Amino acid sequence: GQNIDQPTEMTATEGAIVQINCTYQTSGFNGLFWYQQHAGEAPTFLSYNVLDGLEEKGRFSSFLSRSKGYSYLLLKELQMKDSASYLCAVRGYGGSQGNLIFGKGTKLSVKP
Amino acid sequence: EPEVTQTPSHQVTQMGQEVILRCVPISNHLYFYWYRQILGQKVEFLVSFYNNEISEKSEIFDDQFSVERPDGSNFTLKIRSTKLEDSAMYFCASSERGMGETQYFGPGTRLLVL
Repeated sequence: GQNIDQPTEMTATEGAIVQINCTYQTSGFNGLFWYQQHAGEAPTFLSYNVLDGLEEKGRFSSFLSRSKGYSYLLLKELQMKDSASYLCAVRGYGGSQGNLIFGKGTKLSVKP
Repeated sequence: EPEVTQTPSHQVTQMGQEVILRCVPISNHLYFYWYRQILGQKVEFLVSFYNNEISEKSEIFDDQFSVERPDGSNFTLKIRSTKLEDSAMYFCASSERGMGETQYFGPGTRLLVL
């Protein structure tokens, strides 16, 4: 089966660091994506991991361990505008493209 | 920066009616996707499309759904006879290549079936 788990909600303080975890069990694996989604808007791409390790991109970093089926998204120097849902998505095997399987998302609230 | 566009932004329809949702993928992208998100739930894959044919579809994408690339720029999703449970946000996405490529999402069409 396909299963992606992430916490439903998190709260953090402006200027702080927050880590959002994601665990997955999928029938195949060809990369893990993190998307940000503000309420009522489209998911916007944040990061992509296909090999184990840390990918850093400005204030955002994402880590992957394929053997553990685990990833996290690290957000540093939190800003109020970072309040959004963060979606973990795995690209499995399928067809020639490999559609994305999304988790339910983690709603992050950043407080002053 | 190139982006995926979708029209209309909102669509209200009566149960049993046909709707067509339109998307213009990023111009040099070759792979196209439709996803949906029911209010408060996760994003779900519907269908992927490449080289003028469906590559993969989910169990949600039944006979009521169809996709088409009628010209060189548009990519459409048609729902033949809408049901109440089709009410959702429908996102189009595109990627330059297939496996290993990032999918970029359009702003979505919010469909409400009454």
